[in-house]
Amino acid sequence: QVQLVESGGGVVQPGRSLRLSCAASGFSFSSFAIHWVRQAPGKGLEWVSLISYDGSSEYYADSVKGRFTISRQNSQNNVYLQMDNLRPEDTAVYYCARPGTSSYDLWGQGTRVTVSS
Amino acid sequence: SYELTQPPSVSVSPGQTATITCSGNKLGEEYVAWYQQKPGQSPVVVIYQDSKRPSGIPERFSGSNSGNTATLTISGTQAMDEADYYCQAWDGTVAHVFGSGTRVTIV
Repeated sequence: QVQLVESGGGVVQPGRSLRLSCAASGFSFSSFAIHWVRQAPGKGLEWVSLISYDGSSEYYADSVKGRFTISRQNSQNNVYLQMDNLRPEDTAVYYCARPGTSSYDLWGQGTRVTVSS
Repeated sequence: SYELTQPPSVSVSPGQTATITCSGNKLGEEYVAWYQQKPGQSPVVVIYQDSKRPSGIPERFSGSNSGNTATLTISGTQAMDEADYYCQAWDGTVAHVFGSGTRVTIV
């Protein structure tokens, strides 16, 4: 079954850290870049980060640059998003997504992150 | 930063045509994708590369892109089409910008 499954979300205090995971199955994971996209409550979609198929390149939105780190382990079919120094405005559902032909053709179900004291 | 503007809401009667626009500077020079998102669910691509439909997406969904505006058209709208719709510019950068989203309501 072709799928992406996120995990690791939860409630965390401002300034603390959280690590999200995205587990892939059913496709040739090491051939694809993987992106993270988030959606704040009641808001639209916001691109967060991407990692290239081999992990050699990483990119971040300005809103998370310097605080979030993306990585991957192709042997385990996993992508990670390390989120440090979290802020209330980072509260969102975080999705990992696979880029297809000029679009995201596969999304995970999302994992919810709440940053609150 | 690049911005894509969508109308916040569109209302349509069952069986009628819903038209959702997405505006951005020289948007016609980029590929546009459209996503449908129902409450509590992940987005699903309904149009990619301006006008192509993925397998399994009904023919009533169509798209176009020219100048500064991309358009998603839902012909013969059904109750199941009630959802939020987001455009996305798939340009040469890595930050693939999303539009602000449009809620389609079937009335």
